Amino acid sequence: GQNIDQPTEMTATEGAIVQINCTYQTSGFNGLFWYQQHAGEAPTFLSYNVLDGLEEKGRFSSFLSRSKGYSYLLLKELQMKDSASYLCALNAGNNRKLIWGLGTSLAVNP
Amino acid sequence: DTEVTQTPKHLVMGMTNKKSLKCEQHMGHRAMYWYKQKAKKPPELMFVYSYEKLSINESVPSRFSPECPNSSLLNLHLHALQPEDSALYLCASSQRTEDQPQHFGDGTRLSIL
Repeated sequence: GQNIDQPTEMTATEGAIVQINCTYQTSGFNGLFWYQQHAGEAPTFLSYNVLDGLEEKGRFSSFLSRSKGYSYLLLKELQMKDSASYLCALNAGNNRKLIWGLGTSLAVNP
Repeated sequence: DTEVTQTPKHLVMGMTNKKSLKCEQHMGHRAMYWYKQKAKKPPELMFVYSYEKLSINESVPSRFSPECPNSSLLNLHLHALQPEDSALYLCASSQRTEDQPQHFGDGTRLSIL
């Protein structure tokens, strides 16, 4: 089967850097998604990692290590608007069905 | 604004009512999804349509009935719902392969009285 784990809550300060980890166990692996979801809104796509390494997109970067079953989302120069839930989702190749983590609720304080 | 449009945004219905949720996308995506999401929980997959055919039904109760009239539209017909069905219902779409990200609509917030 598949299993995904990420911290429930994190707190950080405006302007700082925060790393949100996601570990997983799976027999099949195609890639790992990161989504951002503000309260009461729809999830929005942030990144998709297929190969090992770091992918950077502006203030957000995502890292993957397939051998370790580990990914992280790195948020730099935090802004108040980054306060949201961050969900990692595993593409295990099950016909478009994603396996979702429970989400990490990030609070950015002034 | 999202490229996946869901209507209505809010819906209140009694347990004996029949209503439908609608979802539309014009991105040429051939996979469409219905999710249910409770507060502080991740989206929970209900149905997947691939090329207008139902490919995944996650053992959803028959009081939820999906329909895909064409490649741009996805409906969810509701009948005899229970109070525990109150949730945010999200529609999403993606391109042909599972390697493409799913794009979500803003959702319909459903309350069952």
